Amino acid sequence: GQNIDQPTEMTATEGAIVQINCTYQTSGFNGLFWYQQHAGEAPTFLSYNVLDGLEEKGRFSSFLSRSKGYSYLLLKELQMKDSASYLCACLDSNYQLIWGAGTKLIIKP
Amino acid sequence: DVKVTQSSRYLVKRTGEKVFLECVQDMDHENMFWYRQDPGLGLRLIYFSYDVKMKEKGDIPEGYSVSREKKERFSLILESASTNQTSMYLCASSLGSEVSTEAFFGQGTRLTVV
Repeated sequence: GQNIDQPTEMTATEGAIVQINCTYQTSGFNGLFWYQQHAGEAPTFLSYNVLDGLEEKGRFSSFLSRSKGYSYLLLKELQMKDSASYLCACLDSNYQLIWGAGTKLIIKP
Repeated sequence: DVKVTQSSRYLVKRTGEKVFLECVQDMDHENMFWYRQDPGLGLRLIYFSYDVKMKEKGDIPEGYSVSREKKERFSLILESASTNQTSMYLCASSLGSEVSTEAFFGQGTRLTVV
């Protein structure tokens, strides 16, 4: 079956760095997305990786290893507004999005 | 900017009522989706559509139906609402099939069935 695993909850300190991991098993692979979702709001797009390596976008970076079925989202210089859930999603061979349950990130001052 | 608009932010309905959730997108996207989101379960796909008048069942279609009469509009229908359909409902759209583009979400409808 298809499966995406990510930690349920993580806690980090304002100004620090946090890495949120995602492992996936899907039938085929056409890329991996990271979304941010604040409480009570809709998910918003953060990043897309289809090739191995690191994609950097400001304070956020996303890494992909296709051979290991693994990705991480790296958040630097954490701010209180980064408190949110972070969703990992893969596009399978049929271009269907398979979603993880999300990681709730709590930022403490 | 892509805009996906859901008709209601909050909705309270009685058990047995027929409920309509409307979603409109303004970017001429081919794909539209309906998800429900419950704590600890992530996003679960109810139905999706790749074209007008076309629909496909997702992972949890039971108790729901959909309608796509126009490209920009995708409606979710709860034929007879039940308390276990209390949830956050999210509509999304994306460019087209066999294209790796991100999905854009509406603001969500929090439905409570009493």
